[in-house]
Amino acid sequence: QLVESGGGLVQPGGSLRLSCAASGFTFDNYTISWVRQAPGEGLEWISSISSGGGVDYADSVKGRFTTTRDNARASLFLQLNSLGVEDTGVYFCARDVKHSWLGPGGYYYFYFYMDVWGKGTTITVSS
Amino acid sequence: SSELTQDPAVSVALGQTARITCQGDRLRNYYTNWYQQRPGQAPVLLIYGDSNRPSGIPDRFSASSTGNTASLIITGAQAEDEADYYCNSRDSSADHLWIFGGGTRVTVL
Repeated sequence: QLVESGGGLVQPGGSLRLSCAASGFTFDNYTISWVRQAPGEGLEWISSISSGGGVDYADSVKGRFTTTRDNARASLFLQLNSLGVEDTGVYFCARDVKHSWLGPGGYYYFYFYMDVWGKGTTITVSS
Repeated sequence: SSELTQDPAVSVALGQTARITCQGDRLRNYYTNWYQQRPGQAPVLLIYGDSNRPSGIPDRFSASSTGNTASLIITGAQAEDEADYYCNSRDSSADHLWIFGGGTRVTVL
């Protein structure tokens, strides 16, 4: 299970810190991603952090958002700075799975997918 | 292209079959996943690795992928299948990146 928190109303240019608390699985074995959804729009991947702490960001948030994790607390964090109205939306955290299988020729292949999602937390950027 | 393209909307009569497609060059090299999102809810993994159903997903949902096109089929659509459906795949530029299609709104008539 994943539970997000920390959303709210913030003025343009402001900052916010989201949390994602994990339970029911070995948190530090998994990459966790943040995915957001603007009102009435589709899903947008914004960041992933590996079990070892390596982080990737979408270009739309690079330099403004920072993802960290605390494996001891089974928690993920997203620091959002320089927020704009375009950052308004629901923010989900999701567990990434790397699923290996033995295929033709004796080679291992990998499926990647997000199998557990939190219910999301809402950010509204408005003056 | 770094995009995944889906039709914005599909309608299906109750009990009939709906087909949702997702197109993108990256699908030639990466597997496709599908997610269902009901209004006001979080996405749910429906299909992974082009055609695999996680446990608990009804077998009326199936999927396949050929070339640059992936397809999700709902056979015998039910009222509760009315939702948004998103395809998803890795970004070819790095192993940690993800991309989603724009989503298809399925209406069950």
